[in-house]
Amino acid sequence: ETGVTQSPTHLIKTRGQQVTLRCSSQSGHNTVSWYQQALGQGPQFIFQYYREEENGRGNFPPRFSGLQFPNYSSELNVNALELDDSALYLCASSLGAREKLFFGSGTQLSVL
Amino acid sequence: GDSVTQMEGPVTLSEEAFLTINCTYTATGYPSLFWYVQYPGEGLQLLLKATKADDKGSNKGFEATYRKETTSFHLEKGSVQVSDSAVYFCALREEGGSNYKLTFGKGTLLTVNP
Repeated sequence: ETGVTQSPTHLIKTRGQQVTLRCSSQSGHNTVSWYQQALGQGPQFIFQYYREEENGRGNFPPRFSGLQFPNYSSELNVNALELDDSALYLCASSLGAREKLFFGSGTQLSVL
Repeated sequence: GDSVTQMEGPVTLSEEAFLTINCTYTATGYPSLFWYVQYPGEGLQLLLKATKADDKGSNKGFEATYRKETTSFHLEKGSVQVSDSAVYFCALREEGGSNYKLTFGKGTLLTVNP
């Protein structure tokens, strides 16, 4: 059984650029959640996708957007990057919206 | 809004010592409570959970009891091992409604020395 995989593992961007982070969910999982973990902080909920539809969103601006594909993999897109967007971005998949989350190892994004 | 407060770390213990990591929460409804663990270089893993008052979650020798009267969910282990060194996160999820987000505390770094 393949776990949750995220790519890339590390990324460096400059302020104002756009970035796309990718997540492959665990086999059979139809729900993907994205979290932002700033240094020294706990993860903060960005949004969740269930069967290709956004199913809930945290307090993040519209420049944070996402997609879920028919195979349930997912992308997180961030436009107009700001320095404060530097963080570890975690993807988690689950069998349903309230089921146990399985986290990937994350993508470390640095914005210079 | 919902929030979770954990004891500040880092916590450093010797092997076989007793561990307590305090966690208190604020929630508008009746949340489920969780402890997650993050080993170096890995993603978060669910350690244990409790879904209603007085429930005790347990796993791998760790325990936590859902105390509604004190809004607490303290993590305990009777005898820690070097392999328990990790960051521990307390979290809650409101039940009911359509938002399924987890709200996390800031995390507590535990280091266990041989």
